[in-house]
Amino acid sequence: SGLTQPPSVSAAPGQKVTISCSDSSSDIENHFVSWYQQLPGTAPKLLIYDDNKRPSGIPDRFSGSRSGTSATLGITGLQTGDEADYYCATWDISLSSGLFGGGTKLTVL
Amino acid sequence: QVQLQESGPGLVKPSETLSLTCAVSGYSITTLYYWGWVRQPPGGGLEWIVEWAGNKYWNETTNYNSSLKSRVTMSVDRSKNQFSLKLTSVTAADTAVYFCVRRGCPSIGCRAYPFDFWGRGIPVTVSS
Repeated sequence: SGLTQPPSVSAAPGQKVTISCSDSSSDIENHFVSWYQQLPGTAPKLLIYDDNKRPSGIPDRFSGSRSGTSATLGITGLQTGDEADYYCATWDISLSSGLFGGGTKLTVL
Repeated sequence: QVQLQESGPGLVKPSETLSLTCAVSGYSITTLYYWGWVRQPPGGGLEWIVEWAGNKYWNETTNYNSSLKSRVTMSVDRSKNQFSLKLTSVTAADTAVYFCVRRGCPSIGCRAYPFDFWGRGIPVTVSS
């Protein structure tokens, strides 16, 4: 099993971007997805959990959704400070192990 | 506020054992949730390694990445509120930044546990 993300996405400041996370197995279909933002040189930070919930302090420009074997992170009103790597994650119940997507590099042009 | 801090040597020789410790403050690791390790090779993505269920009602289960299980040991020091990772027989492929993490609920009523708290990470290089 594995979570597949596009290696990179880009958009202009103020625009919206979406990042997909797909799984050929049933991990996403049956379990909740979380999303993380990793700014250069820092630890990842939780952005979204339970597919679409935001922890305290995360602006509503960030949103998440899941449908079938695919999950999506949406970011509106892009800012240069959003340039980072974004990772999806879930739990593989059959292996009792965590699973991360390969990560997507967001460039704000 | 929950804080995690990794410590350990930044350089390990090939075939030797990598040993790291994570000190936790702001939360008792024996109360609830999962405590573990994630790593990131240079220029690469995140890889989950291992976690320990910090609750006696969960039988304090340890879950492993199957590809690393034979080389990984996780231990817990309840008195110091910290946990440790040992990775044996390291090679250059184990060179990475190692993060200690909590997999828990960032609010009330979580349906699943994300990695809600992370340490700053400690770079470890495997080289002679």
